[in-house]
Amino acid sequence: SQKIEQNSEALNIQEGKTATLTCNYTNYSPAYLQWYRQDPGRGPVFLLLIRENEKEKRKERLKVTFDTTLKQSLFHITASQPADSATYLCALPLAGSYQLTFGKGTKLSVIP
Amino acid sequence: EAQVTQNPRYLITVTGKKLTVTCSQNMNHEYMSWYRQDPGLGLRQIYYSMNVEVTDKGDVPEGYKVSRKEKRNFPLILESPSPNQTSLYFCASSLSSSSPLHFGNGTRLTVT
Repeated sequence: SQKIEQNSEALNIQEGKTATLTCNYTNYSPAYLQWYRQDPGRGPVFLLLIRENEKEKRKERLKVTFDTTLKQSLFHITASQPADSATYLCALPLAGSYQLTFGKGTKLSVIP
Repeated sequence: EAQVTQNPRYLITVTGKKLTVTCSQNMNHEYMSWYRQDPGLGLRQIYYSMNVEVTDKGDVPEGYKVSRKEKRNFPLILESPSPNQTSLYFCASSLSSSSPLHFGNGTRLTVT
């Protein structure tokens, strides 16, 4: 069955360092992958979308890579700040479906 | 301001008492969806709609109904709520099924 895994439930990082979050998937080949940020009690907010023919996408301090051979996406936040502390979710469409399925998320804490 | 509006934000009800959670978007989006979010289980899709009068089941549709009579509205109906439907619910919309989702601020439902 199709599965999405985000590498860890929680990640602590020192302010100023680069945070790297991982999203792995199995048993399908999505045409694109999305990353969202969610703050406690709030709805997820879209950050970046990367398509299968794109290796890398950047937006300000954010960078996403998409390796369709490894079936993995990496999400990087450079020069991390305490305000980056949140849960980050990856999402992919299920094969042959219009459903967008979310990983369980990684809770990032940036320590001053 | 472009937004997805859910009401109510908080709702406490008793088993078996029918309720409706409303969702409205002002972005002329074709695609709308309902998710529930539970600790340890992440976001799971309940129902989605590709356009007016077109709805389909997500991963966890049991105990829920939806309708899409107008493009902007996508209410979620619980005909006979049960305690296992206690959850945080999110409505979302997007331009198309492959576009980024815009989420509402959530409805926290408690069924006693």
